[in-house]
Amino acid sequence: GNSVTQMEGPVTLSEEAFLTINCTYTATGYPSLFWYVQYPGEGLQLLLKATKADDKGSNKGFEATYRKETTSFHLEKGSVQVSDSAVYFCALEEYGNKLVFGAGTILRVKS
Amino acid sequence: DADVTQTPRNRITKTGKRIMLECSQTKGHDRMYWYRQDPGLGLRLIYYSFDVKDINKGEISDGYSVSRQAQAKFSLSLESAIPNQTALYFCATSDSSPGLGTQYFGPGTRLTVL
Repeated sequence: GNSVTQMEGPVTLSEEAFLTINCTYTATGYPSLFWYVQYPGEGLQLLLKATKADDKGSNKGFEATYRKETTSFHLEKGSVQVSDSAVYFCALEEYGNKLVFGAGTILRVKS
Repeated sequence: DADVTQTPRNRITKTGKRIMLECSQTKGHDRMYWYRQDPGLGLRLIYYSFDVKDINKGEISDGYSVSRQAQAKFSLSLESAIPNQTALYFCATSDSSPGLGTQYFGPGTRLTVL
């Protein structure tokens, strides 16, 4: 079946550091890919998405590019802030808008 | 007001008790989902519903049941709670447009089974 693997955390960075969170997937065909973010005490919210190969999703300074050659969708941000501290989930879409999630990566940003 | 609400937000119960978690949405979406979140495992799908008359099992449905009372309401029941059902439970909704896939999540219910 379909699956998503993302790098284990926690990832701890200083403010203004560069962020990469790796995500790879296994799927039949070319599903839409997503990054969701979960801030402390809240539900998940969509951060960005890409619906086809070579698409780049971006939002709030975060970016991810759909790479079918490497089956990857790595999340990047050039300069993180303390307010970016959260759990980040990579996901792919199956039939019926169902989502398959990775295990989540905790990001901690220190001032 | 929040688009997707869940009640209760926190619940502590004992083994063997029946528990119902409720979800309501004002987004007008046809599709609704129940997930559980466990540390290190991400979110796993319990049940999903494409409309009031279409309910389907997800990856981990054993020990759970659901009811779609209306387009806007989707309840999750644990008929006889057990400790390994201690988790954070999320309800989510999406519209039925193919390929969009964006799901909107409620704030979660933290369930502890003693």
